[in-house]
Amino acid sequence: EAGVAQSPRYKIIEKRQSVAFWCNPISGHATLYWYQQILGQGPKLLIQFQNNGVVDDSQLPKDRFSAERLKGVDSTLKIQPAKLEDSAVYLCASSLALSDPYGYTFGSGTRLTVV
Amino acid sequence: LAKTTQPISMDSYEGQEVNITCSHNNIATNDYITWYQQFPSQGPRFIIQGYKTKVTNEVASLFIPADRKSSTLSLPRVSLSDTAVYYCLVGDKDYKLSFGAGTTVTVRA
Repeated sequence: EAGVAQSPRYKIIEKRQSVAFWCNPISGHATLYWYQQILGQGPKLLIQFQNNGVVDDSQLPKDRFSAERLKGVDSTLKIQPAKLEDSAVYLCASSLALSDPYGYTFGSGTRLTVV
Repeated sequence: LAKTTQPISMDSYEGQEVNITCSHNNIATNDYITWYQQFPSQGPRFIIQGYKTKVTNEVASLFIPADRKSSTLSLPRVSLSDTAVYYCLVGDKDYKLSFGAGTTVTVRA
């Protein structure tokens, strides 16, 4: 089966600019997650969707980050305006359900560099 | 969120067995224990998941004692391609998987 698709693969922007990342989960996966992974650290959950509804966004910096999952399939994560500390890999993952016994499937991520 | 503690790094040689122990003292009754593997420039990949006792698949084994306060991922006969970061995760009541810093396993020839 096709995996989780993310684009772009890399992005370099200047601080205070805006950027958007796109994720297409595995077909049929109801749950979608966005993670932020700073170099040398484990992934940190930003937001979790169940179909097109937000389950948890408690760690999403809502003053600059936003995410949506229209129609319960694709999702976009936006940062506006970007800060230097937003430099990280942004990972999208999906699973069949909240308690998927087979775990999450991650995409390869988008590496963001803010200069 | 259930907190996990695992070694920062481990070194091994090809053909050896690698055992990574993870502590999760505040694991909840309904929590599962899940291990992920991550190579550079890739997203984490699911390895194995268990609730109690022992689980084995084609990649690894997971040993969970009766009190479930720790678990051990066992990688049999590792090769150079097993060099990666390994994460131990415990699902909380909302099943939001929280990643720690992971264990960097380096396999040498």
